[in-house]
Amino acid sequence: AQKITQTQPGMFVQEKEAVTLDCTYDTSDPSYGLFWYKQPSSGEMIFLIYQGSYDQQNATEGRYSLNFQKARKSANLVISASQLGDSAMYFCAMREGRTRGTGFQKLVFGTGTRLLVSP
Amino acid sequence: DADVTQTPRNRITKTGKRIMLECSQTKGHDRMYWYRQDPGLGLRLIYYSFDVKDINKGEISDGYSVSRQAQAKFSLSLESAIPNQTALYFCATSAHRGPLQETQYFGPGTRLLVL
Repeated sequence: AQKITQTQPGMFVQEKEAVTLDCTYDTSDPSYGLFWYKQPSSGEMIFLIYQGSYDQQNATEGRYSLNFQKARKSANLVISASQLGDSAMYFCAMREGRTRGTGFQKLVFGTGTRLLVSP
Repeated sequence: DADVTQTPRNRITKTGKRIMLECSQTKGHDRMYWYRQDPGLGLRLIYYSFDVKDINKGEISDGYSVSRQAQAKFSLSLESAIPNQTALYFCATSAHRGPLQETQYFGPGTRLLVL
């Protein structure tokens, strides 16, 4: 079963508008973290925002906010006031809780959503 | 200067050749990772290392080996490259402690083409 599901292969938005990129996750672990990364056409992976499963408030970082709905197991990324430079692939990822003995928290990625911002 | 660097950035090689991809970081992180990215499959973990003496296989380690030469350096080797190892390879690092512990920071990637 997919741990991270991004159902939108592509999204279009006009400059200065807000856009929501969907992400749902599957875990039975009470302790987990959710991440969003941006991958522009140049290829690098840029960390955007993090939400912990115990965080009471939705995470925000500048124009990025994370709409965290724990009961629905969704962690949607909201980009406000889109800019042309926001055109990129966006990946949602999850870190599950500590595995016994090692403490390693594996990061699992979704397949991504390509966002195109038009003038 | 970039915190996580990868060399080379692009590489073309032939089937059967041995190649090494290198990763260096100045973030002072103890944990390092190698991923590969294929179209439509997202990123998949090849190997990870907690520290110099601790190296572990990820989900797709067959055909790869790694070496953690120092806390700041983690290299990935393809002993005998094959065409289906053509991909974009990423190195990443994370800290064991701190306010953003376990957030992984990625290098710029290495595009590898195996002919």
